[in-house]
Amino acid sequence: GQQLNQSPQSMFIQEGEDVSMNCTSSSIFNTWLWYKQDPGEGPVLLIALYKAGELTSNGRLTAQFGITRKDSFLNISASIPSDVGIYFCAGTSGTYKYIFGTGTRLKVLA
Amino acid sequence: DAGVIQSPRHEVTEMGQEVTLRCKPISGHNSLFWYRQTMMRGLELLIYFNNNVPIDDSGMPEDRFSAKMPNASFSTLKIQPSEPRDSAVYFCASSLVGLRSYEQYFGPGTRLTVT
Repeated sequence: GQQLNQSPQSMFIQEGEDVSMNCTSSSIFNTWLWYKQDPGEGPVLLIALYKAGELTSNGRLTAQFGITRKDSFLNISASIPSDVGIYFCAGTSGTYKYIFGTGTRLKVLA
Repeated sequence: DAGVIQSPRHEVTEMGQEVTLRCKPISGHNSLFWYRQTMMRGLELLIYFNNNVPIDDSGMPEDRFSAKMPNASFSTLKIQPSEPRDSAVYFCASSLVGLRSYEQYFGPGTRLTVT
């Protein structure tokens, strides 16, 4: 099936550092979702974006809906060990059918 | 509030056996989705129900797979007969599809191993 490109695929960072990741699509979307998945668990919805240019925060997490509507970005500030996991983006052009990203695996070094 | 509930969390079965996965969506949600996650293919949508009616089953791999939603609070995904290539994590997700929101909330998943 089709998947969105996420970058980077994985990253090691030091505790306290800021993290940036992005997701790109060849199609225009009008909704972007960001999820975090811990090992052995289901994806947990972090942030939903509905408008091009929109910037939305959830605690230390900030996500942006790219102005081209073909990309989205997620930033994590002051990372902590529990931020470890896989972060997925998902986009849709307005239907129930989401395309999911390949995931960014984050590892935090204490 | 309770999230999406799935059972069992783990299932190990032998090839040829019938497998039934269960899901209870979030109360008040009108849409339910079954996904399969593998390393190779990521998250794949298998079937989508809206108001208990199957709307899109184009992702169901083959006739061995079937899904039902007899009421708003329960759905099943059945594989009969199961094959080793069905081994994956199966997720149920629910959503309140309306004017704006297509946010999907996932359950903890069922890890299926077919030997």
